[in-house]
Amino acid sequence: SQKIEQNSEALNIQEGKTATLTCNYTNYSPAYLQWYRQDPGRGPVFLLLIRENEKEKRKERLKVTFDTTLKQSLFHITASQPADSATYLCALPYTSGTYKYIFGTGTRLKVLA
Amino acid sequence: ETGVTQTPRHLVMGMTNKKSLKCEQHLGHNAMYWYKQSAKKPLELMFVYSLEERVENNSVPSRFSPECPNSSHLFLHLHTLQPEDSALYLCASSQDMGPYGYTFGSGTRLTVV
Repeated sequence: SQKIEQNSEALNIQEGKTATLTCNYTNYSPAYLQWYRQDPGRGPVFLLLIRENEKEKRKERLKVTFDTTLKQSLFHITASQPADSATYLCALPYTSGTYKYIFGTGTRLKVLA
Repeated sequence: ETGVTQTPRHLVMGMTNKKSLKCEQHLGHNAMYWYKQSAKKPLELMFVYSLEERVENNSVPSRFSPECPNSSHLFLHLHTLQPEDSALYLCASSQDMGPYGYTFGSGTRLTVV
């Protein structure tokens, strides 16, 4: 089954800078990958889905890349704001051919004013 | 509100109690899920329902019993829980069991005493 690695240490960046978060997976290459945002005490909120044939996907200030050779996805927030402070989770299908997701532990981002 | 409503938001129960968690969605989604989130651990998939039929029981102890009476409602019945079952229980729904983002509720914070 799939394993996901996200940097468990918090990432602190200055307002206005670009935040880059990493999601590495260890086994098979999934057909797609998702990113979520989670605020304390709340459920995750879906942000973006990227498919294996989409090297890059953008939504407003968000950009996600998907490198199946490196088995890695990068999540970028440009022009970061304090309101972007949250935990960001990546999610992949458990195994090939399934639509049930395994989630990473997430990386906590703090944007400093 | 995300479109997925969970009640109650907080629940404290004794180990001999019986309680139920409720989840409701009116998004027209066909798949619904229960996840458990413990501190510093990734979301753990518990149960999956697709078109009101259970398609996954992820080795969850029998003290947790799901029920899906229709496509809009999902319950998690709890009985004789253990203190280690204390966690945030999240309900989610998706359009279908495919490459779609999940819509999560805000969760029920459960404390077993």
